[in-house]
Amino acid sequence: GIQVEQSPPDLILQEGANSTLRCNFSDSVNNLQWFHQNPWGQLINLFYIPSGTKQNGRLSATTVATERYSLLYISSSQTTDSGVYFCAAELNRDDKIIFGKGTRLHILP
Amino acid sequence: DAGVTQSPTHLIKTRGQQVTLRCSPKSGHDTVSWYQQALGQGPQFIFQYYEEEERQRGNFPDRFSGHQFPNYSSELNVNALLLGDSALYLCASSLKGPGLGTGELFFGEGSRLTVL
Repeated sequence: GIQVEQSPPDLILQEGANSTLRCNFSDSVNNLQWFHQNPWGQLINLFYIPSGTKQNGRLSATTVATERYSLLYISSSQTTDSGVYFCAAELNRDDKIIFGKGTRLHILP
Repeated sequence: DAGVTQSPTHLIKTRGQQVTLRCSPKSGHDTVSWYQQALGQGPQFIFQYYEEEERQRGNFPDRFSGHQFPNYSSELNVNALLLGDSALYLCASSLKGPGLGTGELFFGEGSRLTVL
């Protein structure tokens, strides 16, 4: 079945640093979403990005569907950016949405 | 505009019991998907309901069943609970466009189930 792989699994950075999180998917997809899971477990929408690049403040995302990957960029990290970031890919063939295992980001003050 | 709401937020059951979790979708959405998230893992797709029918299903046994009502709200039922069913159960809603797939998912805060 489709695989959605995220890297790195864990990332520890100093406040103010920039980071790039990667999501690779093994099959063609309709869409790709990025989420941030807060400490209480809720998944917060960051980007809905089937292709191209989007930006929202310090965050931006790029999906290259033909090469089967997506990148999430976080600039000038803040401690509130800590948490787990998930990508989720919607399969082209059956509309199932499959999540990666996440990247756990820890921003140090 | 109310987002996705789930109930209950926490519950404790014993092995062999049955549980029902409830989800009300975001206003204007017609599709509900359920996910199970074990500690330290990514959400695992259970199933999706659209037009009151189960449309897609992940690798979960028949003990997991669901329902969607005419107002688009949904229930997840788990029978014969096992210790391994302890997890955060997440409901997501979306607007399923023709030929556009499931659409952008919006999640509720989840129901945390503990099986003793």
